[in-house]
Amino acid sequence: EPEVTQTPSHQVTQMGQEVILRCVPISNHLYFYWYRQILGQKVEFLVSFYNNEISEKSEIFDDQFSVERPDGSNFTLKIRSTKLEDSAMYFCASSELGTQYFGPGTRLLVL
Amino acid sequence: GDSVTQMEGPVTLSEEAFLTINCTYTATGYPSLFWYVQYPGEGLQLLLKATKADDKGSNKGFEATYRKETTSFHLEKGSVQVSDSAVYFCALSLDTGNQFYFGTGTSLTVIP
Repeated sequence: EPEVTQTPSHQVTQMGQEVILRCVPISNHLYFYWYRQILGQKVEFLVSFYNNEISEKSEIFDDQFSVERPDGSNFTLKIRSTKLEDSAMYFCASSELGTQYFGPGTRLLVL
Repeated sequence: GDSVTQMEGPVTLSEEAFLTINCTYTATGYPSLFWYVQYPGEGLQLLLKATKADDKGSNKGFEATYRKETTSFHLEKGSVQVSDSAVYFCALSLDTGNQFYFGTGTSLTVIP
């Protein structure tokens, strides 16, 4: 069964460093998403992407964040200058007809 | 705004007990409703869904009915197993391509 994959599974970085989180969505899906979950809190929407552009973004998704689909398979989330409060689990998802399928997540720890 | 309110956890049950996890929603339109499950160390997996009022989603012995009159989508299982131990998330979506709104998650532990 096709699944969404994410790399790395864990990442530790220093405050102020750039990080890139990678995702490979399910191949025939058209919509792509990033969510995050700070420990003990809700899963929060960051951004959705369709037809090579951002279709919706939340207040969390400020100028420090960007997304890209650099080729036909990868979907990346970049955080330009990480802050302590960016420490969270980041989930990628993709969908075709409304149901979103999630990857296993990347746990990001900013020190 | 659109939101999901989910029963606080953690919940601990004995094997074969009956499970209910409450979920209510607020939405400006007619949402689709979902339950996702997260097993330890894994991502969010779709458990079941319902796309319109009175629909019942079911999977692996779990059921939830979309109740528009009470704006609820409670998750139930008649007899839980140790392997059902996980965190359960209720979510809604208003349209294809739109963001999902998640509840806080309910941690379930089933003891033998």
